[in-house]
Amino acid sequence: AQSVTQPDIHITVSEGASLELRCNYSYGATPYLFWYVQSPGQGLQLLLKYFSGDTLVQGIKGFEAEFKRSQSSFNLRKPSVHWSDAAEYFCAVGADYGQNFVFGPGTRLSVLP
Amino acid sequence: KAGVTQTPRYLIKTRGQQVTLSCSPISGHRSVSWYQQTPGQGLQFLFEYFSETQRNKGNFPGRFSGRQFSNSRSEMNVSTLELGDSALYLCASSFAASKETQYFGPGTRLLVL
Repeated sequence: AQSVTQPDIHITVSEGASLELRCNYSYGATPYLFWYVQSPGQGLQLLLKYFSGDTLVQGIKGFEAEFKRSQSSFNLRKPSVHWSDAAEYFCAVGADYGQNFVFGPGTRLSVLP
Repeated sequence: KAGVTQTPRYLIKTRGQQVTLSCSPISGHRSVSWYQQTPGQGLQFLFEYFSETQRNKGNFPGRFSGRQFSNSRSEMNVSTLELGDSALYLCASSFAASKETQYFGPGTRLLVL
């Protein structure tokens, strides 16, 4: 069965600083990988996804992620963080038939002015 | 195209009662998944429905049940509510396969007193 880990529970960065959120997955085949963002009390919004092809994927709000098969990682990056990026970020792996979509535990991002 | 809608947005119930939550997927989407989100347990998969059939089920007691109608709308029901059922219940829809992008609704916030 697939699994996802996000090693950082909480990260604090200053506005304007760069950001990298880590995600590691366990999956037997080529994974479908996703990053979602959730603002307090809201649903999840898709930031970006990787299905195949170019390992560097661009998403909304200036985010990008890089798929590294050798490291089983799919880290999320942003060159310059804005105060509005403060939220919780979830990495997820899509499932084969008969298995469910699996989310990581999430990383809460705080942004200092 | 309208997004995933969930009703009601907020609910207050007392222990022992039952509750029904509703989810309308994006038009054309046939898969609907339900998740429970709590601060302690994170995002936990409840079940997935596809073409009116439960395709996958998480590790929740039988008090949690669901169904899907021919128009792909889905309901979930929780009977004999417990305090621990207080959570944000999220619905997500996708076109067909479990591994595809899931689009989330805003959630229903359930408080059990």
